Amino acid sequence: KNQVEQSPQSLIILEGKNCTLQCNYTVSPFSNLRWYKQDTGRGPVSLTIMTFSENTKSNGRYTATLDADTKQSSLHITASQLSDSASYICVVSEKTSYDKVIFGPGTSLSVIP
Amino acid sequence: DAEITQSPRHKITETGRQVTLACHQTWNHNNMFWYRQDLGHGLRLIHYSYGVQDTNKGEVSDGYSVSRSNTEDLPLTLESAASSQTSVYFCASSVSTDTQYFGPGTRLTVL
Repeated sequence: KNQVEQSPQSLIILEGKNCTLQCNYTVSPFSNLRWYKQDTGRGPVSLTIMTFSENTKSNGRYTATLDADTKQSSLHITASQLSDSASYICVVSEKTSYDKVIFGPGTSLSVIP
Repeated sequence: DAEITQSPRHKITETGRQVTLACHQTWNHNNMFWYRQDLGHGLRLIHYSYGVQDTNKGEVSDGYSVSRSNTEDLPLTLESAASSQTSVYFCASSVSTDTQYFGPGTRLTVL
């Protein structure tokens, strides 16, 4: 069964610190992997998208990595800010006749002053 | 500016009533999706559409229906609301297999 798992489930860090969120997937055949940020009470917003041939993608202070061999991805947040407090969702697309999208459960990040 | 909107943002209804949630996008995207989000679960796909008159069932489609009469709108109908359908519902749209753009969500409570 195609699945996406994320760890940790929740994380609290001090403002200014770095953190790394993990995503493991069993989706096959793989099409692409996206990281979304979801603020409380809002819809998810895309941060990065990576295909099989890409192993790193940056968006400001957010850097995503992908190891397609081990089926793992990480999202690294540098110099965290209070506004980074949100849920971060890993989304993997399965390559079929269309891109079937599978969402991970998310990691809840709290940045405290 | 192009956008995707959902209405109502909050809805309380009673078991057995029919409820329709609206989704409207102005990007002219062909693809539109409905998801529900519950604690402990990732977003789960209810229904999706790849164009006018096209609708498809997702993984949790029982008790829900959609219709696509134009490019901009994909209303989601709960035929007979059940307490298990209490959730936050998100509509999304995309071009081809590109990134999906999500609406702000509708919080539905079924009493």
